[in-house]
Amino acid sequence: EAGVAQSPRYKIIEKRQSVAFWCNPISGHATLYWYQQILGQGPKLLIQFQNNGVVDDSQLPKDRFSAERLKGVDSTLKIQPAKLEDSAVYLCASSPDGFMNTEAFFGQGTRLTVV
Amino acid sequence: AQSVTQLDSQVPVFEEAPVELRCNYSSSVSVYLFWYVQYPNQGLQLLLKYLSGSTLVKGINGFEAEFNKSQTSFHLRKPSVHISDTAEYFCAVIFNQAGTALIFGKGTTLSVSS
Repeated sequence: EAGVAQSPRYKIIEKRQSVAFWCNPISGHATLYWYQQILGQGPKLLIQFQNNGVVDDSQLPKDRFSAERLKGVDSTLKIQPAKLEDSAVYLCASSPDGFMNTEAFFGQGTRLTVV
Repeated sequence: AQSVTQLDSQVPVFEEAPVELRCNYSSSVSVYLFWYVQYPNQGLQLLLKYLSGSTLVKGINGFEAEFNKSQTSFHLRKPSVHISDTAEYFCAVIFNQAGTALIFGKGTTLSVSS
């Protein structure tokens, strides 16, 4: 079974530029999560999708971050404009069968450096 | 607010020694509990989880954890560590009244030396 795929693996941008990350979850997984992991900290949930609907985006900085999950499969996370404090690893995770499933499978992440 | 606290940011141990990584959570609601491991330059990997039933949970690589509801803890243990266990360990919780997303602690760096 293929795992959660993310791209790119690494990205360096200047502050005020925009950037987008892509995630392809495990086939058939209804729930998709984006997490932000700042160096030295645990992952923090940014947004959770159930199919193509948003379940929780309470910690997403909506003035600069946006995310979508078209057709309930792939997802993109965008930052515009980026700030220095956005430097982090962005993790995508997916889990099968909606709300009652409690195991998430993680991708390797995209490491973003904002200079 | 619901939170997860990992009491030790770094734990240095010698090879073949026992280790305990501590995790506490702040909630009176029912929870699901997890430990993840992150090796350098790799993604998060599930070590073990507690959903219900026996409070002693066994995971991969010889790790185990015990759920203590009265102390709201889920400490991770291994009786004899190896150099290869050097990694970052994250405790994570799903607070069942707050949705289905994992809430992570800040992590504990386990460093095993010979």
